[in-house]
Amino acid sequence: SQTIHQWPATLVQPVGSPLSLECTVEGTSNPNLYWYRQAAGRGLQLLFYSVGIGQISSEVPQNLSASRPQDRQFILSSKKLLLSDSGFYLCAWTPLGASYEQYFGPGTRLTVT
Amino acid sequence: EDQVTQSPEALRLQEGESSSLNCSYTVSGLRGLFWYRQDPGKGPEFLFTLYSAGEEKEKERLKATLTKKESFLHITAPKPEDSATYLCAVQFMNSGYSTLTFGKGTMLLVSP
Repeated sequence: SQTIHQWPATLVQPVGSPLSLECTVEGTSNPNLYWYRQAAGRGLQLLFYSVGIGQISSEVPQNLSASRPQDRQFILSSKKLLLSDSGFYLCAWTPLGASYEQYFGPGTRLTVT
Repeated sequence: EDQVTQSPEALRLQEGESSSLNCSYTVSGLRGLFWYRQDPGKGPEFLFTLYSAGEEKEKERLKATLTKKESFLHITAPKPEDSATYLCAVQFMNSGYSTLTFGKGTMLLVSP
């Protein structure tokens, strides 16, 4: 069976510090991978998606970036965090050939102070 | 612009009191509509996929239906453990690589 992991689970970082969040998927190959942010009182906002190693599409211009160094690994980064980067970050995957539903990881709660 | 609207924003029910949640969308073409359940502090859990008007899916006390412009999530005789935020998401024909557009969700609270 497939499993998706995210770490860390929670993170408190000062403004201006760097960020690295990691997501890995087990039990599948060539998944599409997605990063979302969920802010309080708002819906899920798609940040990045990837259809393969090194292939990243950005949905929202911001100070965040994403990378996919391996088939089942997706990383969200920032060089300098802003207060507005606080939120709940979710990674999701779609199986190859699936009927488009996405499966989500447990999420990372980021608080920028 | 394609978008997804959920109503009500919050719903409080007594245990056993059936009701429905609504998800409406303005879309140039629908590829699929998805329902998720999200518990506080956790990632969304996939519930159903609907593809065409008239389609219905059921799981325990939940039944999802789809028309040309909206979907309903019917909750029959809810229990306190059904309390959660229910999210609706749509994949539009002109969106790429299975990207989904989410509504803001309906927060359901079922009291014993």
